[in-house]
Amino acid sequence: QKEVEQNSGPLSVPEGAIASLNCTYSDRVSQSFFWYRQYSGKSPELIMSIYSNGDKEDGRFTAQLNKASQYVSLLIRDSQPSDSATYLCAVNQGYIPTFGRGTSLIVHP
Amino acid sequence: DGGITQSPKYLFRKEGQNVTLSCEQNLNHDAMYWYRQDPGQGLRLIYYSQIVNDFQKGDIAEGYSVSREKKESFPLTVTSAQKNPTAFYLCASSSGSLSEQYFGPGTRLTVT
Repeated sequence: QKEVEQNSGPLSVPEGAIASLNCTYSDRVSQSFFWYRQYSGKSPELIMSIYSNGDKEDGRFTAQLNKASQYVSLLIRDSQPSDSATYLCAVNQGYIPTFGRGTSLIVHP
Repeated sequence: DGGITQSPKYLFRKEGQNVTLSCEQNLNHDAMYWYRQDPGQGLRLIYYSQIVNDFQKGDIAEGYSVSREKKESFPLTVTSAQKNPTAFYLCASSSGSLSEQYFGPGTRLTVT
């Protein structure tokens, strides 16, 4: 059974702080990793993808992957209230990704 | 604009009726997926299709049916056999194995 674990939160951070979201996965042969953002009542939207060990930066977002530890994280710098959402981690080893249940992030002014 | 459309956005049905949810994409993606999301829950895979005229059951296929007659379209039928059909239904597509998924806006189905 492939599993992707995320802390459900909520993770509460002040505006301007760094938010750190974490995800662990069970399937060692997983090859692609994604972070999606889902606002309440809306569908998920892709914000980051990462395929190899290390860091990948895109604007205020940084994805970090450590395959040896089976760990992927998302850092959001200079957090804004508009970043308040649920963040879903997805891990893919073929056509079918396995999603975590998501971490709720609240950025308070 | 390329994207995925789902219709309708909200759907209300009486118990015992079958209902079909539409999903169309113009991204030229081969793979399409249907998920169900319940409040506070993650995404659960209902059906997926890697290619036209072929589809596979996901984790919770009972009470649902699909067809994939065209690359662009992957409709989902919620049958009367589905015991708890009220949920948020999401359609997604991807260009292939290991690729990211793009989601439609979703259909919120309420059955009373």
